[in-house]
Amino acid sequence: DAGVTQSPTHLIKTRGQQVTLRCSPKSGHDTVSWYQQALGQGPQFIFQYYEEEERQRGNFPDRFSGHQFPNYSSELNVNALLLGDSALYLCASSHRDSSPLHFGNGTRLTVT
Amino acid sequence: AQSVTQPDIHITVSEGASLELRCNYSYGATPYLFWYVQSPGQGLQLLLKYFSGDTLVQGIKGFEAEFKRSQSSFNLRKPSVHWSDAAEYFCAVGNFGNEKLTFGTGTRLTIIP
Repeated sequence: DAGVTQSPTHLIKTRGQQVTLRCSPKSGHDTVSWYQQALGQGPQFIFQYYEEEERQRGNFPDRFSGHQFPNYSSELNVNALLLGDSALYLCASSHRDSSPLHFGNGTRLTVT
Repeated sequence: AQSVTQPDIHITVSEGASLELRCNYSYGATPYLFWYVQSPGQGLQLLLKYFSGDTLVQGIKGFEAEFKRSQSSFNLRKPSVHWSDAAEYFCAVGNFGNEKLTFGTGTRLTIIP
């Protein structure tokens, strides 16, 4: 049973560029959430997708956007990258009936 | 607004010794509480969760946590640590549906022989 998978594992981008991160949820899960974890910090909630719609959003600017596909996989897009966007981006999946979150290993984004 | 405080940034214990990691939360309603563990370069693994009922919850890897409403605490314990327990530990609070978790800043656990 595959868990949550994220790609790529590492990414280096330049300020001002755009990036897309991808996530496949654990089998049987239909809800995907994205978190940003800066170095030395706890994860911070970005947004959550269910039924291909954004259901909740944390305190992140509109430069952060996402999408969920019919197969429940998801993408996180960040436009106009800033140095401060450098972080580990974690995807987590769950079932709408409130199973606990299962996290992937994350994508390490470095903005130079 | 909900918040989580983990007052200990770094804890060092000897292998075989007991462990307690502290977590205090602020939440307006009945909290859903979690402990996650993160090894270097890895994602988060759920150790245990508390939704309701018995205030002492058992988790994986021999960990347990006790919910104390009067103290707004959810401390994590283990009677005897192993070298493989060295990692970062995060306490989190959420609501029903738990997609939007609020995490603490974490406690880094070092194990010495």
